[in-house]
Amino acid sequence: TQLLEQSPQFLSIQEGENLTVYCNSSSVFSSLQWYRQEPGEGPVLLVTVVTGGEVKKLKRLTFQFGDARKDSSLHITAAQPGDTGLYLCAGFFAGSARQLTFGSGTQLTVLP
Amino acid sequence: SQTIHQWPATLVQPVGSPLSLECTVEGTSNPNLYWYRQAAGRGLQLLFYSVGIGQISSEVPQNLSASRPQDRQFILSSKKLLLSDSGFYLCAWSNLGGANTEAFFGQGTRLTVV
Repeated sequence: TQLLEQSPQFLSIQEGENLTVYCNSSSVFSSLQWYRQEPGEGPVLLVTVVTGGEVKKLKRLTFQFGDARKDSSLHITAAQPGDTGLYLCAGFFAGSARQLTFGSGTQLTVLP
Repeated sequence: SQTIHQWPATLVQPVGSPLSLECTVEGTSNPNLYWYRQAAGRGLQLLFYSVGIGQISSEVPQNLSASRPQDRQFILSSKKLLLSDSGFYLCAWSNLGGANTEAFFGQGTRLTVV
């Protein structure tokens, strides 16, 4: 079973602070995605990264894909209370193009 | 546009009773379909996925089964529920895989086994 390790599991910060969430695996991804989930709802896609070393920005969110395509990070600048939620990385591993595997999640709380 | 429907939204069932959760997708054909279970505040555990009618792959040995009787219908079942089957169940679909594949999720079913 291919695993995605996500850290930290919980993160509580003050409004305006920066944070980084990590997603790691020993296997290579063909593509990796980051989702955000609100309580009682399904996850919603934030971004997909495909190319090793790729960096994508979505307003205050910066997503990076490792050169070897085994890891990724999500960096949030100047966090706001509206950023609170469960952040999930997910990936299609090389050779398993139809099996979407999720990380364990990072519960982010941004305090006003 | 594509939509995914999952029902019921909440369900309370006694131990030993059967289960049937249904998921349907509209606006696409031959989607990959997935059933996930999620513990509170944690990641999604892949239970089953399907690449076509009658084709089911099981990821975790358990008390559950899945079926895909039609191209855009995915059903999660159990003959006898256990307390440990409680959780938040999510159905999802994706296109055929590849670099820009995205998964779209239903609203989820909160199952409580009592």
